[in-house]
Amino acid sequence: DADVTQTPRNRITKTGKRIMLECSQTKGHDRMYWYRQDPGLGLQLIYYSFDVKDINKGEISDGYSVSRQAQAKFSLSLESAIPNQTALYFCATSDLSDLGGELFFGEGSRLTVL
Amino acid sequence: KQEVTQIPAALSVPEGENLVLNCSFTDSAIYNLQWFRQDPGKGLTSLLLIQSSQREQTSGRLNASLDKSSGRSTLYIAASQPGDSATYLCAATDSWGKLQFGAGTQVVVTP
Repeated sequence: DADVTQTPRNRITKTGKRIMLECSQTKGHDRMYWYRQDPGLGLQLIYYSFDVKDINKGEISDGYSVSRQAQAKFSLSLESAIPNQTALYFCATSDLSDLGGELFFGEGSRLTVL
Repeated sequence: KQEVTQIPAALSVPEGENLVLNCSFTDSAIYNLQWFRQDPGKGLTSLLLIQSSQREQTSGRLNASLDKSSGRSTLYIAASQPGDSATYLCAATDSWGKLQFGAGTQVVVTP
């Protein structure tokens, strides 16, 4: 089993619908991140969490929200999806005790908003 | 704000040639710099992590250098193979533990 698991892997939805992307990890890491990847733009940070009670906005948080349900689970929600949120979304984890340590990524969730 | 640039955006080389991938960053106050590999439709896999106090890191055929004063890191892949075809991304980590990614270099190694 993968250390960082994202569900769903692919989702097609319509404008205005609410979407939730889920991430779970078995690495025991405190830090979890949500990134968005668009062609030619690299990865942009949406939200990050350094522990269950700590949630922080990243560069592009507008239109998104997150929930850290437990150390191992970090969900990303789009309350009312719009077409320019069509992208590949990645969850990642790292170890709090190792500042700036190695990041471990999930396989990604491809979201298409029509 | 930290800006990370990778040039070229794409690169094609024949098998056996050495690969040289460039990464530049605008703020030299980085905590570390990481290189990742991404295969199509897949997540990112960490290749090498260079701490700010280090000049280089090596793993097998991969060698990454870091020059903070000039704001540059270079990833060298020796004797390239078709299996090295992928997109390679670099990311600079700041003192808060946040990463700023480059857009990546897409590499194709032809047999």
